[in-house]
Amino acid sequence: QKEVEQNSGPLSVPEGAIASLNCTYSDRGSQSFFWYRQYSGKSPELIMFIYSNGDKEDGRFTAQLNKASQYVSLLIRDSQPSDSATYLCAVVEYGNKLVFGAGTILRVKS
Amino acid sequence: EAGVAQSPRYKIIEKRQSVAFWCNPISGHATLYWYQQILGQGPKLLIQFQNNGVVDDSQLPKDRFSAERLKGVDSTLKIQPAKLEDSAVYLCASSLTSGRAGFSYNEQFFGPGTRLTVL
Repeated sequence: QKEVEQNSGPLSVPEGAIASLNCTYSDRGSQSFFWYRQYSGKSPELIMFIYSNGDKEDGRFTAQLNKASQYVSLLIRDSQPSDSATYLCAVVEYGNKLVFGAGTILRVKS
Repeated sequence: EAGVAQSPRYKIIEKRQSVAFWCNPISGHATLYWYQQILGQGPKLLIQFQNNGVVDDSQLPKDRFSAERLKGVDSTLKIQPAKLEDSAVYLCASSLTSGRAGFSYNEQFFGPGTRLTVL
């Protein structure tokens, strides 16, 4: 089975700063990658989806994918206290199945 | 559009007891997933249904866990007997389909989860 690795954190950043979250994956054949946000006690919600090398931007969020290095990252610009959550990286397996990393806890301090 | 519904939201049982969780997916979603999320970990897929058939149950501990999706809509996940290590949040998710053959993806929508504590 594919493995997805994330630093558990917590990652602490001041309000207004850029938060950088990283993820590595084991299967070189993996094609599609996802970032989910999970607030404490809540279910995961999809925030970004990337499958092409390079950057994908959506508002304050930018996902970056480097398939040669088997590395995917999420940048959050102008971080807000409301961004404080656990960020889960996931890779899709054949048949729409998701394999999640353990998640990185982000804390944005005002 | 109503989201994925789950019940109960919380359950506390003693080890060796039985417990059942219920999930109602988004209307029209053919694929239903059950995940187990242990504290500090990411969700782990237990079982995936396409309509009322099982697509993948390779990570389901079949000696104690069972799941069914009668009529291709609601689903029930059961644990019998429960162990201490089963304490976790059980998440149900649904998607329109399992995607086209290969690595295409249909977004999975998650329910609120059931938090199980085994004492």
